[in-house]
Amino acid sequence: EAQVTQNPRYLITVTGKKLTVTCSQNMNHEYMSWYRQDPGLGLRQIYYSMNVEVTDKGDVPEGYKVSRKEKRNFPLILESPSPNQTSLYFCASSFLQGEAFFGQGTRLTVV
Amino acid sequence: TQLLEQSPQFLSIQEGENLTVYCNSSSVFSSLQWYRQEPGEGPVLLVTVVTGGEVKKLKRLTFQFGDARKDSSLHITAAQPGDTGLYLCAGYNAGNNRKLIWGLGTSLAVNP
Repeated sequence: EAQVTQNPRYLITVTGKKLTVTCSQNMNHEYMSWYRQDPGLGLRQIYYSMNVEVTDKGDVPEGYKVSRKEKRNFPLILESPSPNQTSLYFCASSFLQGEAFFGQGTRLTVV
Repeated sequence: TQLLEQSPQFLSIQEGENLTVYCNSSSVFSSLQWYRQEPGEGPVLLVTVVTGGEVKKLKRLTFQFGDARKDSSLHITAAQPGDTGLYLCAGYNAGNNRKLIWGLGTSLAVNP
């Protein structure tokens, strides 16, 4: 089954404790991206990747890191999480200019 | 700057009513997509429109792409409670085909 798998679905952490949200897709998509979704602000792109070892900043990259060592995986790293990073996060993948397939989402709370 | 403006932001209607949701821009888009998102889940694609003036139908949903490829609409006929959700439009700007631009969405509630 074609899918984007994100883990974990829910995460509560404390300020400053490094965390990683994993994302994996099985559709051989070149393009992967991370979004955060907040009430009234919609989906905002954090980082995206056009292919292996190619990543670029989206609209709200501050406080986040990503890597693309393999085509299927695109983890999101928060080196020192802060409460303003509390949000619903989505990983998505697609062919260039194609339909975006989304993961199930990760609801992150930073206290 | 929000390149895709969706209206209305919220809509609450009774089962059986018709509705239209709009997605407007001052920019030209090479294609526009409509997604539906349920609470706590990721958006799921409903349709992609590519040609100016194009009309696509998906059961009771009708999607239209403006002639100038700057706007789109989604019309739902005889809405049902199962249509409840967040409807998002997204598009690839003609000037930058690497990034999907998103509207803020229309939150639809269909009451039985």
